Amino acid sequence: SQQGEEDPQALSIQEGENATMNCSYKTSINNLQWYRQNSGRGLVHLILIRSNEREKHSGRLRVTLDTSKKSSSLLITASRAADTASYFCATYTNAGKSTFGDGTTLTVKP
Amino acid sequence: EAGVAQSPRYKIIEKRQSVAFWCNPISGHATLYWYQQILGQGPKLLIQFQNNGVVDDSQLPKDRFSAERLKGVDSTLKIQPAKLEDSAVYLCASSLGEYHPQHFGDGTRLSIL
Repeated sequence: SQQGEEDPQALSIQEGENATMNCSYKTSINNLQWYRQNSGRGLVHLILIRSNEREKHSGRLRVTLDTSKKSSSLLITASRAADTASYFCATYTNAGKSTFGDGTTLTVKP
Repeated sequence: EAGVAQSPRYKIIEKRQSVAFWCNPISGHATLYWYQQILGQGPKLLIQFQNNGVVDDSQLPKDRFSAERLKGVDSTLKIQPAKLEDSAVYLCASSLGEYHPQHFGDGTRLSIL
């Protein structure tokens, strides 16, 4: 099974609302990264959080990491229709091995 | 900077035929990845190169898939012979190193008839 598991599988919200998606993993990590994928395109890196960090911000994105619970969350504030995409977490072990989850599909309705 | 280039964008073949995909990573990126992404799933790592050496190919079906990275730059992924279950998008990514963010190409969508 995948190292990272995203929850929920799908999320539908109105423009202007906040969107939260979660990622759980099983083994120790060096860092965790979040990516976005628009339909028919490759993945785009959003944010990296190291195992010794608890929270990071980038524009409207906020990522938290709880290594004791082996979980991370991605919050998108004041969502826009252009945020409609699939979001994936990727865990990176200390051996340099990365594994992607199956993603959360976010739909933002105008 | 130029992104990761992949070709072709689409490929349709019949089962048991062979197919090859090409990837040109971002200049200076030592690490190159090939992923298989089935519809509705996340990318599954097939092979990871560090320069021109293989770091991880544990999920590569070696009886039919092969990959090489020439002079630590461009890479090709080959399937021979193709099976119906190989229908997927094949993504190439590169990064400065194994812990760094990955930069993805737009992939090759492979359909097996």
